[in-house]
Amino acid sequence: DVKVTQSSRYLVKRTGEKVFLECVQDMDHENMFWYRQDPGLGLRLIYFSYDVKMKEKGDIPEGYSVSREKKERFSLILESASTNQTSMYLCASSHSRLAGPRYEQYFGPGTRLTVT
Amino acid sequence: SQQGEEDPQALSIQEGENATMNCSYKTSINNLQWYRQNSGRGLVHLILIRSNEREKHSGRLRVTLDTSKKSSSLLITASRAADTASYFCATGYNDMRFGAGTRLTVKP
Repeated sequence: DVKVTQSSRYLVKRTGEKVFLECVQDMDHENMFWYRQDPGLGLRLIYFSYDVKMKEKGDIPEGYSVSREKKERFSLILESASTNQTSMYLCASSHSRLAGPRYEQYFGPGTRLTVT
Repeated sequence: SQQGEEDPQALSIQEGENATMNCSYKTSINNLQWYRQNSGRGLVHLILIRSNEREKHSGRLRVTLDTSKKSSSLLITASRAADTASYFCATGYNDMRFGAGTRLTVKP
């Protein structure tokens, strides 16, 4: 079974704190993704990575950075948390499209982050 | 920017009825995928349909794709209370884009 795990289910942080969200997958997937989900807005892509040390901006990268030092791990960093970053954060992974026809995404359970 | 848009935003039906959700997208696609999300959880992949396919079945799920109209539909037949969830369509290559979802409630 594919497994994508996220470091925390619930997290409460204060404004201005540096926040790390960790994601680990065990399927040797090339691609990894970070989304945030807000009511009425669906999932919005923050960053994605298609290889170790590679990253690409998604639709809403402002205020976030990422790190991928190992293939199985993709970290999302909030350099200075703000209240408008209160959200559900979802990590996902998939094979590269070049790796074959099955490149659906597998999601972690999500981290609900509250910034006060 | 979001690629897919689901319609309706919310749908409420009785157990045993069929549920139909629609998805429209803006640009040409290689494939379109449908996902389900139970309340407060991650998304689970349901089905993928390629741009050269018009219809695909998986159990009680039936997906159609009309590339000329840039639209897709997901039909769930003989719905069950356990089908209560949000359903999303997604398009893209390595970087996927999701719509805002359809919230389906199946009443027992």
